[in-house]
Amino acid sequence: DIQMTQSPSSLSASVGDRVTITCRASETILNFLNWYQQRPGKAPKLLIYGANTLQSGVPSRFSGSGSGTHFTLTISDLQVEDFATYFCQQGYSSPPITFGQGTRLE
Amino acid sequence: EVQLVESGGGLVQPGGSLRLSCTASGFTLSSDWMHWVRQAPGKGLEWVARINLDGSSRLYAVSVKGRATISRDNASNTLLLLMNSLTPEDTAVYFCARDRGLDEAFDVWGPGTLVTVSS
Repeated sequence: DIQMTQSPSSLSASVGDRVTITCRASETILNFLNWYQQRPGKAPKLLIYGANTLQSGVPSRFSGSGSGTHFTLTISDLQVEDFATYFCQQGYSSPPITFGQGTRLE
Repeated sequence: EVQLVESGGGLVQPGGSLRLSCTASGFTLSSDWMHWVRQAPGKGLEWVARINLDGSSRLYAVSVKGRATISRDNASNTLLLLMNSLTPEDTAVYFCARDRGLDEAFDVWGPGTLVTVSS
C-alpha cells in the first residue's frame, strides 16, 4: 500500500497569512495527488486534483504543486472560511486508495 | 444541482449488519465510478470500496474485505453498501463519493450517515 504522510499535523495561522501543507507518498504516484478541505461536521470538498489543477469553483488562493513523492498545498491570503482540516489522497495505485492523516489549520 | 444523499445509518449491535444507500440527483449514477469512504469519530478518512460503471469490478479495503458488498442500482440511481459482522471499529460516518473519472479524485460527496456499532 502507498502510505501518505502529511506535515504538519496542525498549523496555527491568521487571516491574511500564507500557509503551506506538505504531503509525501511512500513511493512515486506521479501526479495522481488530490487535496480536500473538510470543515467540522461536513463532507470533504475537492480542492485540487492532479497535483495542481484547481477544481471548478475553488478560489485561486489555493494552489498545489509537486510530483513523484513530494507535494504541497499552498493557501495564500487566508480567509476565515479556510480554517479547516486538509487531506491529501493518492489516486495512482488502488486498492487501496489512501489518504494522508490530515492537517488541521487553526 | 448535483447531489448525493446517504441513508441507513444508526445504532447497530456488534456482530450485526448494515445496509447503506446513497441516492444521486442532478446526474446519472450509471455514468460514474462510485466509492464509499468512512471517517471514525475524530479520525481521518478511510477509503472503503469502489465500484465501476456496470458493477463488474468491485474493490474493497482490507479492513472490510469479505464483510462488505458494494453494489449499484442504476435504474433507481442508487449506490448501496452492505456490511456484516460489524465491530466497534466500524463505527464511523460513511460517505458516498463520485469519482471524477480520470484520477480517482472524488468531486461530489454526500453529507454522510453515522453508523454506531455498540451494545
